[in-house]
Amino acid sequence: QLQLQESGPRLVKPSETLSLSCTVSGGSMNSNSYSWAWIRQPPGKGLEWIGSVFYSGDTYNNPSLKSRVTMSVDTSKNQFSLKLTSVTAPDTAVYYCARHLAYAHGGEWIGPWGQGTLVTVSS
Amino acid sequence: QSALTQPPSASGSPGQSVTISCTGTSSDVGVYDYVSWYQQHPGKAPKLMIYEVIKRPSGVPARFSGSKSGNTASLTVSGLQAEDEADYYCSSYAGSNNLVFGGGTKLTVL
Repeated sequence: QLQLQESGPRLVKPSETLSLSCTVSGGSMNSNSYSWAWIRQPPGKGLEWIGSVFYSGDTYNNPSLKSRVTMSVDTSKNQFSLKLTSVTAPDTAVYYCARHLAYAHGGEWIGPWGQGTLVTVSS
Repeated sequence: QSALTQPPSASGSPGQSVTISCTGTSSDVGVYDYVSWYQQHPGKAPKLMIYEVIKRPSGVPARFSGSKSGNTASLTVSGLQAEDEADYYCSSYAGSNNLVFGGGTKLTVL
């Protein structure tokens, strides 16, 4: 059974870079069909797709965040990561990692999801 | 890239049916049959309930069903049970490798 777990600092200062990793267990990331996604949810608010990365390293992002987002994958560790630069208070959110069957590969759904990690932007 | 529009709340009594709408545009819901629905209980991660408008993943009860007409997709929960009380989010492919979510609907079982 595929499981995902986010890790990284829970507190980031304004203007700095938020960095998170996601470890995938119970299955391999080496798939031509799935990509690996980051989604966030500000406290008390809805979900926002941040972007997704294929095991090849190809990425696609939410246009509203594109210039601040970098994603990468390390298949040797079964991990993928997110970097969000120049963070401000509105970037405070629960960040989820998840498996993503993307439109480019004949579908469009997300699951399973990690449990999520709350990252707070504050000085 | 605007979020899909969902009602903030919905409710029903045990055993009843309730339908939650998800309104998009002719650039997302109206043109692609790639609408998904997610259930989120408080403090938990979202769970996929419906994908490609009408399909249910293995393990999701048949009480959950999806449909679409024009720019609006819908999730219907039949035979409401107490454990169905949760937040529900729709999502849709929006072209150019973009994915957009709805604002979420809080379902209350009375």
